[in-house]
Amino acid sequence: SQQGEEDPQALSIQEGENATMNCSYKTSINNLQWYRQNSGRGLVHLILIRSNEREKHSGRLRVTLDTSKKSSSLLITASRAADTASYFCATDREYGNKLVFGAGTILRVKS
Amino acid sequence: SQTIHQWPATLVQPVGSPLSLECTVEGTSNPNLYWYRQAAGRGLQLLFYSVGIGQISSEVPQNLSASRPQDRQFILSSKKLLLSDSGFYLCAWSVRAGVSPLHFGNGTRLTVT
Repeated sequence: SQQGEEDPQALSIQEGENATMNCSYKTSINNLQWYRQNSGRGLVHLILIRSNEREKHSGRLRVTLDTSKKSSSLLITASRAADTASYFCATDREYGNKLVFGAGTILRVKS
Repeated sequence: SQTIHQWPATLVQPVGSPLSLECTVEGTSNPNLYWYRQAAGRGLQLLFYSVGIGQISSEVPQNLSASRPQDRQFILSSKKLLLSDSGFYLCAWSVRAGVSPLHFGNGTRLTVT
């Protein structure tokens, strides 16, 4: 069964706007990760946030984690057409040894 | 630097035929290895993972099997393919299971006809 569920399923924005994607999960975790997938390709790791962290930045990416609400958000600022891709959150179960992925958010950035 | 190779990129196979997909990792030792399947427009489903040679854990009972004959080689197989086996198969590796990022291959698009 899927652990993470992304919201929205699809998002269409104009270049330069910010994009926010959300992820909810059900059980305790050690960390939460975000990945990006361009059409027909493998996934690329973006950022990992540990359960004791609340916010993490990497370039134009900002990830927040609220363990009390079992949710995370990925913010992409000043989006570019090249950001068009699917974005997935993935969680490991506490003391688990594998990642479980959500269904993903399809982001389209229009130029 | 570490690299992961997965082949073939695309494959069209008739129902009932066998399958063998291969994945190899270079530049690291004793990686954790994973096979995922992605249906069209869906998330990833973990099929198998391995923490060492000869050690395979299956997540979903199905028509597929996996083997790890060498430290950095992971093979996905089937004796007789079903239509429902169609999908995008992704191999991945990590340094430490569950707490470090996964590094994915470029995937194999399998169509069973």
